[in-house]
Amino acid sequence: ELKVEQNPLFLSMQEGKNYTIYCNYSTTSDRLYWYRQDPGKSLESLFVLLSNGAVKQEGRLMASLDTKARLSTLHITAAVHDLSATYFCAVGYRIPWGGSEKLVFGKGTKLTVNP
Amino acid sequence: GAVVSQHPSRVICKSGTSVKIECRSLDFQATTMFWYRQFPKQSLMLMATSNEGSKATYEQGVEKDKFLINHASLTLSTLTVTSAHPEDSSFYICSASGTGGAFSLTGELFFGEGSRLTVL
Repeated sequence: ELKVEQNPLFLSMQEGKNYTIYCNYSTTSDRLYWYRQDPGKSLESLFVLLSNGAVKQEGRLMASLDTKARLSTLHITAAVHDLSATYFCAVGYRIPWGGSEKLVFGKGTKLTVNP
Repeated sequence: GAVVSQHPSRVICKSGTSVKIECRSLDFQATTMFWYRQFPKQSLMLMATSNEGSKATYEQGVEKDKFLINHASLTLSTLTVTSAHPEDSSFYICSASGTGGAFSLTGELFFGEGSRLTVL
């Protein structure tokens, strides 16, 4: 059974600071996703990581994937208040039929960026 | 990215009634749709997977007769919560996957806006 562990679950940081959110998973996977969720809203896709060593950056967020360690990180650089949200990693594995994949989500990291 | 629309976004109903939530893919054909539920301050839990024209596959612990899923066409899946009770109150989110067109990756998922169900 695929398990996804995310930490920390809660993160309170000051504007301008850097921090990293970690996502560990238990079995081999096709791909790893990072999503953002604002209160009362659905998921916004941030990154899709497909291969070992993959690194993607968008603004103040950078995600990386180490498939050997089964670890992905989401690094926040010089945080700003607008980044306050809950961040989920999700690990995908293909289902035998249909060609799509199931996602198993981490528990999420609630990020609060304080002025 | 591709667009997935959910309706209604919010619904309040009395205990014992049934509620239907629709999930539509607006600009692509969704070969597979997934239904998740999310309790407050918790993660998303997959409820079921459905392919167009076939029966849904439910995750362990999800009652098939309670949560009826129909995927009658390549653009529409519905989730019906039958005889809803307060413990069914939750945020329900669908996602859809297809191939070609707007999809940059085969099998990539797109999420609907979510539907918040409150059962009184």
